[in-house]
Amino acid sequence: AQKITQTQPGMFVQEKEAVTLDCTYDTSDPSYGLFWYKQPSSGEMIFLIYQGSYDQQNATEGRYSLNFQKARKSANLVISASQLGDSAMYFCAMREPNTGNQFYFGTGTSLTVIP
Amino acid sequence: SAVISQKPSRDICQRGTSLTIQCQVDSQVTMMFWYRQQPGQSLTLIATANQGSEATYESGFVIDKFPISRPNLTFSTLTVSNMSPEDSSIYLCSARRTGGKPEAFFGQGTRLTVV
Repeated sequence: AQKITQTQPGMFVQEKEAVTLDCTYDTSDPSYGLFWYKQPSSGEMIFLIYQGSYDQQNATEGRYSLNFQKARKSANLVISASQLGDSAMYFCAMREPNTGNQFYFGTGTSLTVIP
Repeated sequence: SAVISQKPSRDICQRGTSLTIQCQVDSQVTMMFWYRQQPGQSLTLIATANQGSEATYESGFVIDKFPISRPNLTFSTLTVSNMSPEDSSIYLCSARRTGGKPEAFFGQGTRLTVV
C-alpha cells in the first residue's frame, strides 16, 4: 500500500490567492512525522514545513501552513498569497522513526501560479 | 540546518561508463541517504550510506550497480556503474542528524543523462 498519496498531479492558482495541496498517508505507527518539500525546476529539494503526529497545533511557517487532520490521515499544505516563485513541484513525505529513517515520498503535485 | 554540496550538478555520459557523484555536508550528520528521481517521478531511496561500513540498500538496488562510500561523517559518494539510458535520472544526496531537527536536507541534485 502507498504510504503517501497525492491525488493532484497538477494545480493552478491565481497570483495572491491561496491554494491547498492534498496529501493523505497510511501508517499504523502512532509516532510519525509529516513533511512538505518544494522542488523547483532546478531540481533541489527545499524543506517547507513539518508536522509531528503528537503535535496538537497545525504547523505554520510563514505563508505555509499544514492542515493536519489525524483521524482522516490527511496533511494538506496550504499556501497563502501565492507568488510566481511558488510555481514548482510539491512533495509530501512521511517518516516513521520507530521503523527506520527512510522518508516516504508521494508522487508530487505540480503547482503553477498564474499572473 | 545542514548545507549539502553535491557535484557534479549535471552530466551527460556514454552508456557502459560509470559516474561518481560526490556529496559533502558542512557539518557532521548521522544519516546520509541517496535517492533517485526518474523523469516525472517521485523520489526513491537507493540506500543509506553508513559511515565505516557497507551501505544498506533498498529492494531493487544492488551494490554492484550503485557502490556507495562514506569514509567519514561529512562525505559520501555514489557511483552509477555500467550506465544505460534507463539510469537517466536526478540523483539526490540527503542528510539528517539523529536527535536533531526532524527534517532531512538535500543537495541540489545531479541531473544525469545517459546516451
